[in-house]
Amino acid sequence: GQNIDQPTEMTATEGAIVQINCTYQTSGFNGLFWYQQHAGEAPTFLSYNVLDGLEEKGRFSSFLSRSKGYSYLLLKELQMKDSASYLCAVHMFSGGYNKLIFGAGTRLAVHP
Amino acid sequence: DGGITQSPKYLFRKEGQNVTLSCEQNLNHDAMYWYRQDPGQGLRLIYYSQIVNDFQKGDIAEGYSVSREKKESFPLTVTSAQKNPTAFYLCASSITRDRVYNEQFFGPGTRLTVL
Repeated sequence: GQNIDQPTEMTATEGAIVQINCTYQTSGFNGLFWYQQHAGEAPTFLSYNVLDGLEEKGRFSSFLSRSKGYSYLLLKELQMKDSASYLCAVHMFSGGYNKLIFGAGTRLAVHP
Repeated sequence: DGGITQSPKYLFRKEGQNVTLSCEQNLNHDAMYWYRQDPGQGLRLIYYSQIVNDFQKGDIAEGYSVSREKKESFPLTVTSAQKNPTAFYLCASSITRDRVYNEQFFGPGTRLTVL
């Protein structure tokens, strides 16, 4: 089976830094995505990692260790609008088909 | 503007009725996907399709059916056999069916409530 684990909820203060972890055990791996989802809205793409290491994109960075089955999303200079759910998703290619397997998501609440 | 549209945003149905959720994309993407999201949970894959006239069951296909007669369209029917149909339904598409970068773009979702 496929297993992707993320913390259910996190809280942080405006202006601070927060790290959201994701661990995965899947039968295949072609890359890892992070999506942001505000309540009642569609997920939107944040980052993608396929090689080990850190990918930086403005206030958001994402790290991947394939040998450890581990990724994290780092959010710097938190703003109130960053309050949302953050979804970790593993890209698998199996039997000629692409799929994303999603974790349950981490709800982040940013407080003043 | 290119994108994915889902209609309607909110849908109410009586128990025992079939209902079809619309998903259209004008991104010229090959692959399309249907997900279900329940409160506080992640996305679970219902069905996916990588080319016209071909589709595969996802992890929770029971009680659902789909068709892919056109590249642009991937409607989902929630049948009366689906025991707990009330949920947020998301449609997505991606550019390629090859084993490469598979970013998925999502529609705005349809919130289905069965009374």
